[in-house]
Amino acid sequence: AQSVTQLGSHVSVSEGALVLLRCNYSSSVPPYLFWYVQYPNQGLQLLLKYTTGATLVKGINGFEAEFKKSETSFHLTKPSAHMSDAAEYFCAVRAGYSSASKIIFGSGTRLSIRP
Amino acid sequence: DGGITQSPKYLFRKEGQNVTLSCEQNLNHDAMYWYRQDPGQGLRLIYYSQIVNDFQKGDIAEGYSVSREKKESFPLTVTSAQKNPTAFYLCASTLEGPGSSPLHFGNGTRLTVT
Repeated sequence: AQSVTQLGSHVSVSEGALVLLRCNYSSSVPPYLFWYVQYPNQGLQLLLKYTTGATLVKGINGFEAEFKKSETSFHLTKPSAHMSDAAEYFCAVRAGYSSASKIIFGSGTRLSIRP
Repeated sequence: DGGITQSPKYLFRKEGQNVTLSCEQNLNHDAMYWYRQDPGQGLRLIYYSQIVNDFQKGDIAEGYSVSREKKESFPLTVTSAQKNPTAFYLCASTLEGPGSSPLHFGNGTRLTVT
């Protein structure tokens, strides 16, 4: 069975500081991994996804994530936080080779940015 | 622009009434999904549909019903049997294909039942 764990329901960083949001997954087959961002009262927007190949994935808004199979992790980072990054972030995993396979979402991490 | 439209954005109902949430997409996506979001609980799958006239229960289908008469439309009815219906509801869709196909989301409907 597949699962996703996001460590830390709330992360607070200063503007300009490194952002690190943690995600660990469990999957019996090679996974497809996704990070989404949600602004208040809006839907989820895809930040980036890992499929196969390069383990460092670059996304929108300066975010990137590194797939580490040995650690079953897919942590999201951004070198320098901006006030506009304040939002909720969701990690998701799909363990299956087709889009018909179920996607499992983590419980989310709320990112706050201190001026 | 292609996308998913959910309406209305805010919905208020009295307890005991059924209510239908609209979801329309013009992305030509095959599969559509309904999720429920509660604070601190992430997204929970209510129903999904891979093709027209077919749908399957997700993890929390009790008290909900759906239909898929057209590829573009996947309305969700919250029935009076749903014990705690107040939540944020998200509709999503995806193109049939490899597992790397991401979900695309609408902007949600916030339902408040009193």
